[in-house]
Amino acid sequence: GEDVEQSLFLSVREGDSSVINCTYTDSSSTYLYWYKQEPGAGLQLLTYIFSNMDMKQDQRLTVLLNKKDKHLSLRIADTQTGDSAIYFCAESFGEGSWGKLQFGAGTQVVVTP
Amino acid sequence: GAVVSQHPSWVICKSGTSVKIECRSLDFQATTMFWYRQFPKQSLMLMATSNEGSKATYEQGVEKDKFLINHASLTLSTLTVTSAHPEDSSFYICSALKGTSGIGTQYFGPGTRLLVL
Repeated sequence: GEDVEQSLFLSVREGDSSVINCTYTDSSSTYLYWYKQEPGAGLQLLTYIFSNMDMKQDQRLTVLLNKKDKHLSLRIADTQTGDSAIYFCAESFGEGSWGKLQFGAGTQVVVTP
Repeated sequence: GAVVSQHPSWVICKSGTSVKIECRSLDFQATTMFWYRQFPKQSLMLMATSNEGSKATYEQGVEKDKFLINHASLTLSTLTVTSAHPEDSSFYICSALKGTSGIGTQYFGPGTRLLVL
């Protein structure tokens, strides 16, 4: 099964906050990432958090990391229709892994007017 | 910035032919690039790690003779799908690692959609 797990779908109204959750298994992960994929496109790096941090905020995005529970979340404030996309969380493998990432299955976020 | 391009963006080919996909890091050098495959509504599956000046490292279950990878320079990696068959039809995405191993960040290309008839 997946080492990184995400819920598959989230529907949110425009203007509300979205919270996307992710759980991972590798406690030696150095960084955890959130990527956004729009239809037919590659992945866009949204934000990342170093494993010794609890929280990182970047404009409308807030990342929370609970290392004890291996739980990562992405909160998008004031969600807009342009935020509709698939969001992938990813964990880096340990040191010496040449930057390899393990991706979750992705969460489809649909923003409704 | 960290921009990664792929060419072509889409390709249709006949069964049995070979297709080459290029991945370029436009504004940074990348000793390591990655090739992924993505099926509809699924996550990215890592196929191989491409290292400049050395042989690629393939993930389990990926045929190295089928998917040839050449990382000839610090800004270019190519993936050649040899003797393509319809089951090779997929969305292929590359990424380039900016920074050093373990603390670098992957930046992704826009993907190449391959359809084998």
